[in-house]
This record gives sequence, structure tokens and C-alpha cells, in this order.
Amino acid sequence: AQSVTQPDIHITVSEGASLELRCNYSYGATPYLFWYVQSPGQGLQLLLKYFSGDTLVQGIKGFEAEFKRSQSSFNLRKPSVHWSDAAEYFCAVGLNTGTASKLTFGTGTRLQVTL
Amino acid sequence: KAGVTQTPRYLIKTRGQQVTLSCSPISGHRSVSWYQQTPGQGLQFLFEYFSETQRNKGNFPGRFSGRQFSNSRSEMNVSTLELGDSALYLCASSFATPKETQYFGPGTRLLVL
Repeated sequence: AQSVTQPDIHITVSEGASLELRCNYSYGATPYLFWYVQSPGQGLQLLLKYFSGDTLVQGIKGFEAEFKRSQSSFNLRKPSVHWSDAAEYFCAVGLNTGTASKLTFGTGTRLQVTL
Repeated sequence: KAGVTQTPRYLIKTRGQQVTLSCSPISGHRSVSWYQQTPGQGLQFLFEYFSETQRNKGNFPGRFSGRQFSNSRSEMNVSTLELGDSALYLCASSFATPKETQYFGPGTRLLVL
């Protein structure tokens, strides 16, 4: 069964500093990978996704992620964090069996931004 | 294009009651998935419906059930509510295949007293 690990439960960065959120996955085949963000009391918003091809993926709000097959990782990065980026971030792996849609999520990383 | 809508947004029930939550997917989307989010267990997949058929199911007891209508709208039902069912229930829709992005609604927050 697939699984996702986000080793950092909580991260604090200063506004303007760079950010990297870690995500490791376990899946028997090439996975579909996603990063979602959730603000308090809200649903999930897709930041970016990887299906195949270029391993560096660009997303919304200036985020990017790099798929590294050898490390089973899909880390999220942003060169300069804004105070509005404070939220909870979820990495997810999707089935690619072609028959059903299901996302397995990591436990999330809560990002705090100090001014 | 309107996003995924969920009703109601908030709900308070007592133990033993049952509850029905509703989800309207993005127009044209045929797949609807449900997730439960709790502080202890995180985000967990409940089930997915596609063309009125349950296509995938997570590891939840039979008290949790769902259905999908011909217009792709979906409902989930929880019978005999337990305190542990208190959670944010999220609905997501996509076109059809696992490659398609799932778009999430704002969720229904259920409190069981």
C-alpha cells in the first residue's frame, strides 16, 4: 500500500526566507504526486502536481517541487516566503492504476511565518 | 466555473443519530471522492463514486455509506454516530481518471455530542 511521510510537523520561517517542506513516499510504481495547502477552516487547494516528464514542477503562488525517484521524495520549495503562506501543507500520492481515484495524504506540515 | 460545494457547512448531532452530507461537484466532473479529516488521524479516504457506482473504498466501518446521483452530485451518510465521527468531511471532484486533479470543497464540519 502507498504511504506518504512528512517528517516535519511544524516549521517556522521568517518572511522573505526560503522554504523547503519535505515529503517522502512509498509506492510500487511511478506515483502521481501532489502538494495541497489548507488555510484554517478551509478546504484543500492544489499547489502543484507531478505525473511524468520534467521532474521540476512549477505551481501557483511561486511554489515549486522536485521529484527525485532515487530518494522517493517530492519536496516543496519557495525561494521567498510571504506572511500569507502561513497554512498547513499536505503532500499526497495518487493511485495510477487507471481505475480509481484515491489520494493518500501525509500528516501535514504546519508553516508559521514570522515578520 | 463554480467550485465544489458542500452542504451544510456545519452540523451538530448527538450520539446515535444519523447524518447526511451533500456534495455538488464541478460541472462536468464525474468522479466524487470523500475524505475525513481529524486531528488524530489526519486526512483519510472514505470512498469514491464514478458514474453512480462506488469505485473505491477506504477502511471505514459500514456505518459510513454514500451514493451518487445521475447529475454526479453525491451524498454521504453516517449512521449511529459516535463521538469519534466528529471531523471535517471533505468532498473532492475530478473528471474521471486518477491523473486528473481532485478539486476540494470547503468541507462540512461535523460535531457529535
